[in-house]
Parts: sequence; C-alpha cells; structure tokens
Amino acid sequence: NAGVTQTPKFRILKIGQSMTLQCAQDMNHNYMYWYRQDPGMGLKLIYYSVGAGITDKGEVPNGYNVSRSTTEDFPLRLELAAPSQTSVYFCASSYSDFSGSYNEQFFGPGTRLTVL
Amino acid sequence: AQKITQTQPGMFVQEKEAVTLDCTYDTSDPSYGLFWYKQPSSGEMIFLIYQGSYDQQNATEGRYSLNFQKARKSANLVISASQLGDSAMYFCAMWGNQFYFGTGTSLTVIP
Repeated sequence: NAGVTQTPKFRILKIGQSMTLQCAQDMNHNYMYWYRQDPGMGLKLIYYSVGAGITDKGEVPNGYNVSRSTTEDFPLRLELAAPSQTSVYFCASSYSDFSGSYNEQFFGPGTRLTVL
Repeated sequence: AQKITQTQPGMFVQEKEAVTLDCTYDTSDPSYGLFWYKQPSSGEMIFLIYQGSYDQQNATEGRYSLNFQKARKSANLVISASQLGDSAMYFCAMWGNQFYFGTGTSLTVIP
C-alpha cells in the first residue's frame, strides 16, 4: 500500500495563479481531509469529505475548492492564489463505520506552497 | 472559538525521564475523540494515541499514555522513559463534527 500520496511536493505560484493539489489514498478510507499548516502553528482543516460526492467546509475554507468524484482521490483547488495561502498543505484519510468510535488519520507527506 | 488549547510552547526533559504535555479542549458534543500526533523535524504527522469520550479507561500505547479527565476537559499526553528520538512537535487534536488541532508543544529531550 502506498498510503496517502500527495503531488507536488513543492510549488511556487505567482499571485493570481491557480493550481490543483492532488491527493490519493489506496486504503479504501471513506473520510478524506485537507489541512494547512502555517509556520509554528497547528493544522487547520480546510475541507473534508465523508465519501464520494460529499464534501464539507472546515475551519478555513475561503479561497479553496474541493471535489470527491471517487473514493481514492480528493483534489484541492486554489483559485487566484494569494500570499496568505503560503503554507504546507497536508492531505489525510481515515475510516469510520459511523458507530461513534474514531479512527486515526493517515497523513500524506505534505505539499509546500509558496505564493509570491 | 478555540477548541484545543496547548499552553506549553516548549518543554525540555532529561533522557529516560517522564514528561507530561498538556491539552485542554472545549466542546458541547457528548461524543468526540481526542488524538495526539507527533511531528518530527522532517515534517510528517505520526499518530500516537486516541481516546474516545465514552472510554472509561485511559488509553495507552507503549510508552505513551493519555491522562483523560473528562470533567476538567483535559487530555494530557504522558511519555515515559523519554528517548532522544522523542524530540519533536506534539499536537493534540479533537474530532467532534470536524477536526481541530492545537498549536503544538515542542519537546526537546536532553541527553
């Protein structure tokens, strides 16, 4: 199993450009998440998905969009990049049977994005 | 409103000693989960331990234990017999209707 994979590892964008951060998992997890981590801070949830076709906003969704057309993939779209979006982006996945217990998230290696 | 609070930006511990990293949380949901993650300088996020809100006993995983005090809304991580490889950032997190992470505690293990 590859686990959670993210591409690219690094990217520099100019202000106003757009890009898509790719995330894929091969563990058949129903939950997937996107986080950003600013320097010296914890992770903040951008969007999450509980299954294909279902997405919901997290704590900091502005400036981002997501889609979940398959169980495996959960791309994050940045439209009109701004310097405030300079951060490290982590994708994660987990499995839940919705019984009330929670399972660990498996994290990808992260994408370091700089907007200049 | 901040959901997870970690009040110790940095901690030092002597090798082989135990250390407690503090975490308090805020939620009105009766059902929630509490997690601790380790982030070494290489950047990856490593799951350490989980505690469910309905679990009666404190969670343990090897040298890690979670001191869960529900009435005080605290979920402190205890690392026993610290090792040099434990030097890292440690994040407390909570899942209620979504995930919230604390700002982290930087732990340095001194030889």
